[in-house]
Amino acid sequence: DGGITQSPKYLFRKEGQNVTLSCEQNLNHDAMYWYRQDPGQGLRLIYYSQIVNDFQKGDIAEGYSVSREKKESFPLTVTSAQKNPTAFYLCASSISKGDTQYFGPGTRLTVL
Amino acid sequence: QQQVKQSPQSLIVQKGGISIINCAYENTAFDYFPWYQQFPGKGPALLIAIRPDVSEKKEGRFTISFNKSAKQFSLHIMDSQPGDSATYFCAASSVRTETSGSRLTFGEGTQLTVNP
Repeated sequence: DGGITQSPKYLFRKEGQNVTLSCEQNLNHDAMYWYRQDPGQGLRLIYYSQIVNDFQKGDIAEGYSVSREKKESFPLTVTSAQKNPTAFYLCASSISKGDTQYFGPGTRLTVL
Repeated sequence: QQQVKQSPQSLIVQKGGISIINCAYENTAFDYFPWYQQFPGKGPALLIAIRPDVSEKKEGRFTISFNKSAKQFSLHIMDSQPGDSATYFCAASSVRTETSGSRLTFGEGTQLTVNP
């Protein structure tokens, strides 16, 4: 089955720790995206990548980092610099310069 | 900053009724307007999308109405069912470039509840 997988589904972190969220896609999409969703709010773009080994900051990149070493993978690291990291994180992908983005099931991160 | 404003924030409809969600945008460069449906704990899924060259698009019980001059578009759900209860997001994107790709700007979402 083609699609986007995110792991883990739930993640708990202590304050001051970095944590990495996984996103893998087998849709052969060139572009991948990370969004953050908070209760009652829309999706806010953290980082996106149009091609391997290249990525750009979105609207709320502070406290986050990404890498794009493989076309299929776009991991997101939530660093200790992110002041309010508890949220639902969504990964998406699309064809290059395509409009439609396809979303993964999300990872819910809770900072204890 | 590009914005898409969505209303209402929440909506309660009786089974069989019509659900209407509205969005307004500012950036006239937007040329793709999708609607996403999200169930609790799940990722959003594309429901229906429209481009400015048409004023209406219908897929089953779901219809997008688009008013280019008013810079508004809306989602109509006919014969609403309890299974339609979800959060709906409108979004918009503009011309793609080599570096920008398809950056979607999302509305804040509408939580729809359809009572049986």
